[in-house]
Amino acid sequence: AQSVTQLDSHVSVSEGTPVLLRCNYSSSYSPSLFWYVQHPNKGLQLLLKYTSAATLVKGINGFEAEFKKSETSFHLTKPSAHMSDAAEYFCVVTNFGNEKLTFGTGTRLTIIP
Amino acid sequence: SQTIHQWPATLVQPVGSPLSLECTVEGTSNPNLYWYRQAAGRGLQLLFYSVGIGQISSEVPQNLSASRPQDRQFILSSKKLLLSDSGFYLCAWRGARRGGDTQYFGPGTRLTVL
Repeated sequence: AQSVTQLDSHVSVSEGTPVLLRCNYSSSYSPSLFWYVQHPNKGLQLLLKYTSAATLVKGINGFEAEFKKSETSFHLTKPSAHMSDAAEYFCVVTNFGNEKLTFGTGTRLTIIP
Repeated sequence: SQTIHQWPATLVQPVGSPLSLECTVEGTSNPNLYWYRQAAGRGLQLLFYSVGIGQISSEVPQNLSASRPQDRQFILSSKKLLLSDSGFYLCAWRGARRGGDTQYFGPGTRLTVL
């Protein structure tokens, strides 16, 4: 069984300040973890993924996430927010060979000018 | 490079009318294909997936159906739409080879049933 919990439904930060979007997961096997971003009325774009290689994963647009097995967390961070980062972010878990992705309920990120 | 297309982009249909949404993938062979629905204010729900032509697995029993008539074509259908079918429909693909567990999403179709 697998599940994912996004701890904040809405996060607001000022432009130029750090971003932290929190995600905790549960998985019976070694997980594959992803962060996707969705802009309004658009499809989901892959930001980054963890698949048991380096625990600090770098993604596109300056985002990165750290896999912490002891805390079962996979939080997404960015040092400096940009207006274009305003979107919905989804944390996703699966296992190798599993057809099903399990999605979190999403975190809406608002950037304050 | 691989690309995924969905059409139409938006659709407004009356209750009881039929539905056909199409998804095609370019630049890859024998992909695994997926249909998701995203209702307003909710996460994504997996509806169907396919690992090959004519092979469809259904995740949620409802009045929708899926078909895969060609390797890179995936169709979502309904004979009679319900109000509850409104939502944002996303198609996704992933490589079938070992280790290819990343799913890539299309641009989506916004369906409004009135």
